[in-house]
Amino acid sequence: DAGVTQSPTHLIKTRGQQVTLRCSPKSGHDTVSWYQQALGQGPQFIFQYYEEEERQRGNFPDRFSGHQFPNYSSELNVNALLLGDSALYLCASIKTGGESLSGELFFGEGSRLTVL
Amino acid sequence: QKEVEQDPGPLSVPEGAIVSLNCTYSNSAFQYFMWYRQYSRKGPELLMYTYSSGNKEDGRFTAQVDKSSKYISLFIRDSQPSDSATYLCAMSAGGYQKVTFGTGTKLQVIP
Repeated sequence: DAGVTQSPTHLIKTRGQQVTLRCSPKSGHDTVSWYQQALGQGPQFIFQYYEEEERQRGNFPDRFSGHQFPNYSSELNVNALLLGDSALYLCASIKTGGESLSGELFFGEGSRLTVL
Repeated sequence: QKEVEQDPGPLSVPEGAIVSLNCTYSNSAFQYFMWYRQYSRKGPELLMYTYSSGNKEDGRFTAQVDKSSKYISLFIRDSQPSDSATYLCAMSAGGYQKVTFGTGTKLQVIP
């Protein structure tokens, strides 16, 4: 049973560039959430996608956008990168209904973004 | 004020010790309380979750929630070097609401 997979695992960008991160949810899961984890901090909620729509959004600027595809996979896009965007970007999936109501998230290994 | 407060540590204990990790929160809407474990350079993995107040035990791990004090704890008995990781408390109001994490406490268990 494949867990949550993310790509790329590491990437380096320069200020002002744009980046796209990808996530495939755990088998059977249909909801994807993205989190940003800065060094020494806990994950911060960016947004959640369900049925190809953004269902919730955290306190992140519009430079952060996303997409969910019919196969439930998802992308996170960040435009006009800033130095402060350097972080581990985590994708988490849940299956709508059942235990998902408790917030039990299944995380991927993350994509580590460095902005120079 | 942050919704969830957690002492970042680091916390260093000898093997076999009892470890106590704690978080406080301010949002009364939180109903689900979780502990995630995160090894270095890995994604968090769910360790335990509890609904509302009370205790929950799973092997060497015990989670406690006191909603009246807005305080949650994780106890690790007979700690092992393999328990060395960052422990994140997390909370949710349920109903697909976002999960809010603490800063994480870095734990080191010394053989």
